[in-house]
Amino acid sequence: AQKVTQAQTEISVVEKEDVTLDCVYETRDTTYYLFWYKQPPSGELVFLIRRNSFDEQNEISGRYSWNFQKSTSSFNFTITASQVVDSAVYFCALSEAGGGGADGLTFGKGTHLIIQP
Amino acid sequence: DAGVTQSPTHLIKTRGQQVTLRCSPKSGHDTVSWYQQALGQGPQFIFQYYEEEERQRGNFPDRFSGHQFPNYSSELNVNALLLGDSALYLCASSLGPGGGYNSPLHFGNGTRLTVT
Repeated sequence: AQKVTQAQTEISVVEKEDVTLDCVYETRDTTYYLFWYKQPPSGELVFLIRRNSFDEQNEISGRYSWNFQKSTSSFNFTITASQVVDSAVYFCALSEAGGGGADGLTFGKGTHLIIQP
Repeated sequence: DAGVTQSPTHLIKTRGQQVTLRCSPKSGHDTVSWYQQALGQGPQFIFQYYEEEERQRGNFPDRFSGHQFPNYSSELNVNALLLGDSALYLCASSLGPGGGYNSPLHFGNGTRLTVT
């Protein structure tokens, strides 16, 4: 069965520091998708990125970047020059497309990111 | 462009009662998924509806049931409520079935259910 591990329960940094959120996943499928979501205090999960298992290119979007490494089953998320508005809980998630995604998205437990002014 | 909307925002029920939560998908989406998020945990997949049928189901008992209407909106019903059912219930919509690989899931703000 699939599993997502976010070992960092909480991270606190000062504004403008760079911060990396770790995500390690387990799956037996060769075709799968990885996601990052942001959950602000309002509760809504905001989609950040989707990456399929055949695309190991790193991606950069503004201050956000993602490092996907199949060799270590990791999909890490870096925020450069963090801002107070980045404070939220961040979730990494996995979907196994090979089985039709029968279990929906499998989420990690989340990392609570606190950006101090 | 309206996103995913859920109602009610908050709900307090007594153990043993039944509850119905509602969800309207994002415009253009035809698939609705429901997730349960306990405090301090990641969301857990309950089930997914597409073409008015339950397509996929996570590890939840039959007390959890749902429905999808012709306009793609959906309801989540929970019978015989237990204290452990207290959680944030999130609805997500997408275009086409699956675990978000066809199109990313878009989530609503959720319904906070408290069972006393």
